[in-house]
Amino acid sequence: EAQVTQNPRYLITVTGKKLTVTCSQNMNHEYMSWYRQDPGLGLRQIYYSMNVEVTDKGDVPEGYKVSRKEKRNFPLILESPSPNQTSLYFCASSRQNTNYGYTFGSGTRLTVV
Amino acid sequence: AQTVTQSQPEMSVQEAETVTLSCTYDTSESDYYLFWYKQPPSRQMILVIRQEAYKQQNATENRFSVNFQKAAKSFSLKISDSQLGDAAMYFCAYRSLLTQGGSEKLVFGKGTKLTVNP
Repeated sequence: EAQVTQNPRYLITVTGKKLTVTCSQNMNHEYMSWYRQDPGLGLRQIYYSMNVEVTDKGDVPEGYKVSRKEKRNFPLILESPSPNQTSLYFCASSRQNTNYGYTFGSGTRLTVV
Repeated sequence: AQTVTQSQPEMSVQEAETVTLSCTYDTSESDYYLFWYKQPPSRQMILVIRQEAYKQQNATENRFSVNFQKAAKSFSLKISDSQLGDAAMYFCAYRSLLTQGGSEKLVFGKGTKLTVNP
């Protein structure tokens, strides 16, 4: 089944404790991206990657890191999480320049206390 | 930069009735894609319908259709014969084409919460 797999689905952590949210897709998509969703703000892009070893900042990159060492994987790293990073996170993938929308993962609900 | 505006934070509809969700966008590009996504309480993002800007014909997917007005930069979603399972948050989204020098990302509106009353 074609899908984007995110883990974990739920995570509660403490301020400053490094964490990684994994994202993997099995569709050989070139493009992958991370979004965060907050009430009243919609989805905002954090980082994106056009292909292996090519990453760039989105609209809200502060406090996050990403890497794209393999085409299928695009982990999101929070080196020192803070409470304002409490949010719902989505990973998405797509072929480039296509009229198909993105395929989204199931989301990760992160709470930083 | 492109922006997407959904002016209705919440809407409600009676089961079996028709409802229209509004979306406007701002862009200087001539070619692009537009989408409507549905997010039910399960929080999964589900693609409902898509429209290519170069196509004049409005897209239709079963009970879902759009009214695409390119000159007005408007992209509304009509849901006919509303069902209880249609209750969800709906997001309008814009996608640039790399060939036009745009960045490769979806720009989302803030969403419209749709309630379906039995």
